[in-house]
Amino acid sequence: DSGVTQTPKHLITATGQRVTLRCSPRSGDLSVYWYQQSLDQGLQFLIQYYNGEERAKGNILERFSAQQFPDLHSELNLSSLELGDSALYFCASSVASGLAGERNEQYFGPGTRLTVT
Amino acid sequence: AQKVTQAQTEISVVEKEDVTLDCVYETRDTTYYLFWYKQPPSGELVFLIRRNSFDEQNEISGRYSWNFQKSTSSFNFTITASQVVDSAVYFCALIAPYYNTDKLIFGTGTRLQVFP
Repeated sequence: DSGVTQTPKHLITATGQRVTLRCSPRSGDLSVYWYQQSLDQGLQFLIQYYNGEERAKGNILERFSAQQFPDLHSELNLSSLELGDSALYFCASSVASGLAGERNEQYFGPGTRLTVT
Repeated sequence: AQKVTQAQTEISVVEKEDVTLDCVYETRDTTYYLFWYKQPPSGELVFLIRRNSFDEQNEISGRYSWNFQKSTSSFNFTITASQVVDSAVYFCALIAPYYNTDKLIFGTGTRLQVFP
């Protein structure tokens, strides 16, 4: 058990809908990362938050957004869903900020499997 | 460009065989970080090891060992006396902090199947 929790574990929804994925980082970790794992794209970085602020953005679609709340949990919002958004979405956390110093390992949650029909 | 290449898509071995998973990386950073993660059939990603570019010491943890060679930009992972429980997809990953980011850049993974 990594200490990172994600809900829900599975999500099935229809095209055009909007969903919210939730993540709670390990105790003491200030950075939260979102990754998408799909068969064609592999594991891709989406976005990072550090202590409530956006720190880095990857290949995140405009239909997707995220935020990190004062209690450090994070939510990833996916809207106008398309079939191609079906994937495993991982949240990870670490103590690192991405500004300076050593880069620490990231601990991953169990993932949310999203199926868009 | 920053890139991680895992040329072996799938490896099959019989229990107790040794197996090496290859990882080659590309980065222009002089300071960077390398990782291995394991994804068992249950789907979660499990952290195995982190290696800093300025520490070229090889590491051994039980049946697992890692060989970091800067000269060939490789960070290979060896499992000694493999077991069925080692069956999983293994990912090599890189953090190259050139733009003050610590996003993980993953390879495509190597699926290891260990047969009894």
